[in-house]
Amino acid sequence: SQQGEEDPQALSIQEGENATMNCSYKTSINNLQWYRQNSGRGLVHLILIRSNEREKHSGRLRVTLDTSKKSSSLLITASRAADTASYFCASSITGANSKLTFGKGITLSVRP
Amino acid sequence: EAQVTQNPRYLITVTGKKLTVTCSQNMNHEYMSWYRQDPGLGLRQIYYSMNVEVTDKGDVPEGYKVSRKEKRNFPLILESPSPNQTSLYFCASSPGQAGSPLHFGNGTRLTVT
Repeated sequence: SQQGEEDPQALSIQEGENATMNCSYKTSINNLQWYRQNSGRGLVHLILIRSNEREKHSGRLRVTLDTSKKSSSLLITASRAADTASYFCASSITGANSKLTFGKGITLSVRP
Repeated sequence: EAQVTQNPRYLITVTGKKLTVTCSQNMNHEYMSWYRQDPGLGLRQIYYSMNVEVTDKGDVPEGYKVSRKEKRNFPLILESPSPNQTSLYFCASSPGQAGSPLHFGNGTRLTVT
């Protein structure tokens, strides 16, 4: 079964609004990462948060991690049409070397 | 430019005809991996390699082979492709430390008829 599960599966918002995406995982992790995928293209790494961190920012991105609930959220503020893409969380499982386990992804549509 | 290069970008083949998808990275990364992406299933790892001559199975290795003779190259081989291997394939690499972010290629869309 998937280590990471994103929620919601799809999200449609108006340009300028904030987009919040959630991810839950099952086992102990080293870190959790978020990736973006434009239609049919390769995934691009957005941000990484370590297991001992609770919040991290990068530009318009804010990611939080709650290890007690085994969950993370990605917030994109002031969304733009260009943010339209699929977003994936990926967990680096403790003791699993470099393996990242991906969720199924969230499709974000930002309407102009 | 730092990149992971996959070829071909699109491939249509017939059942049973051996094929190879190439992957090359120019970042001197130790770790390389292959994923397949299918609708509703997300990305699933096929094989990975921690270093030259070191490869291991991922979650869905059946029907695939890999080799890592050189650090930069990690080809994916389908000895006898079947229609259920129709998918979007991605190669990725990272420096190798546990949990390092992955750099992805642009994908190979394979159709097996």
